[in-house]
Amino acid sequence: EAGVAQSPRYKIIEKRQSVAFWCNPISGHATLYWYQQILGQGPKLLIQFQNNGVVDDSQLPKDRFSAERLKGVDSTLKIQPAKLEDSAVYLCASSLDRGRWREQYFGPGTRLTVT
Amino acid sequence: KQEVTQIPAALSVPEGENLVLNCSFTDSAIYNLQWFRQDPGKGLTSLLLIQSSQREQTSGRLNASLDKSSGRSTLYIAASQPGDSATYLCAVKLGNQFYFGTGTSLTVIP
Repeated sequence: EAGVAQSPRYKIIEKRQSVAFWCNPISGHATLYWYQQILGQGPKLLIQFQNNGVVDDSQLPKDRFSAERLKGVDSTLKIQPAKLEDSAVYLCASSLDRGRWREQYFGPGTRLTVT
Repeated sequence: KQEVTQIPAALSVPEGENLVLNCSFTDSAIYNLQWFRQDPGKGLTSLLLIQSSQREQTSGRLNASLDKSSGRSTLYIAASQPGDSATYLCAVKLGNQFYFGTGTSLTVIP
């Protein structure tokens, strides 16, 4: 079974530029999550999708971050414009559904450096 | 807001030792608790998932326990190996949100 795929693996941009990350979840997984992990911290959930609908985006900085999951499969996370404090690893995860017994499976992440 | 704390932040043990990692959380109304390991530059790998109604889960040399009333979980690793060296994170599900600890960095010395 293929795992969660993410691209790119690394990205370096200047502040005020835009960037987009892509995630392809495990086949058949209805729920998709985007996390931000700043160095030395645990991941913070930014947004959660169930199929192509948003379940929770309470911690997504909506003035600069946006995410979509068209057709309920792949997802993109965009930052526009980027700030220095957005430097982090962006992790995508998926699970069969959002039930309490469902394990999350993570992709390798995209390391973003904003200079 | 849920706070998740992991102690110690770092741990170094000789190969073959048994060890315990700790995770505590402030809001006991969790749905489940999951333990992950994270290797440098990589994503998270799920180790064990404990439902709120369960007391423990076991997988191979790993055993995780959960005491909801006291807001604590432990991850027990038996007969540690150098390949166990990684950062171990716990996460709790509360409502639609997931809250992670900052992790325990484990080094197993050959």
